[in-house]
Amino acid sequence: KAGVTQTPRYLIKTRGQQVTLSCSPISGHRSVSWYQQTPGQGLQFLFEYFSETQRNKGNFPGRFSGRQFSNSRSEMNVSTLELGDSALYLCASSLDGPPLDGYTFGSGTRLTVV
Amino acid sequence: DAKTTQPPSMDCAEGRAANLPCNHSTISGNEYVYWYRQIHSQGPQYIIHGLKNNETNEMASLIITEDRKSSTLILPHATLRDTAVYYCIVGGNTPLVFGKGTRLSVIA
Repeated sequence: KAGVTQTPRYLIKTRGQQVTLSCSPISGHRSVSWYQQTPGQGLQFLFEYFSETQRNKGNFPGRFSGRQFSNSRSEMNVSTLELGDSALYLCASSLDGPPLDGYTFGSGTRLTVV
Repeated sequence: DAKTTQPPSMDCAEGRAANLPCNHSTISGNEYVYWYRQIHSQGPQYIIHGLKNNETNEMASLIITEDRKSSTLILPHATLRDTAVYYCIVGGNTPLVFGKGTRLSVIA
């Protein structure tokens, strides 16, 4: 079966710009979560969407937002980019979310802010 | 913050069993233990999870102590492709919180 697809794989943006990242979950999965990974902070939870509703939110500023569509595809948006937003952004999908089943992660989008 | 403690790194000879320990002394009764691994530059990969009983799948075995305060992930016959960072996570009906994990190096 097809895995979790994230696009684009790589992105270079300038400070102050905004960016939108896309995630297509495994067919039938209703939960989509987003994580940010940096060398200094490791993997940090951004937010989770379930059936088009934000179910959980991590401790990130309001510049980070997301949404989920009726087909479970999800997007996350970062506005007014800062150099510190450079990171690997990972999307993970599951049928219903923890605790009953594990996540399947995509390969990520590597964002570089210059 | 992560609720688990793992050694930062471990080595294992190829073909031998890799036993990765994890302490989670504050685990609650309804929280599961999850293991994921991340091979360089890839997204984390789910390995296994359990609540109380030991679990086994095609990738690994999970041994949880009776008091549930610690667990061990066992890769029965480690290969070079098992070199990765292994994350032990404790969680319930909440987003998974990743700690720093254990960097396992499988040596030929």
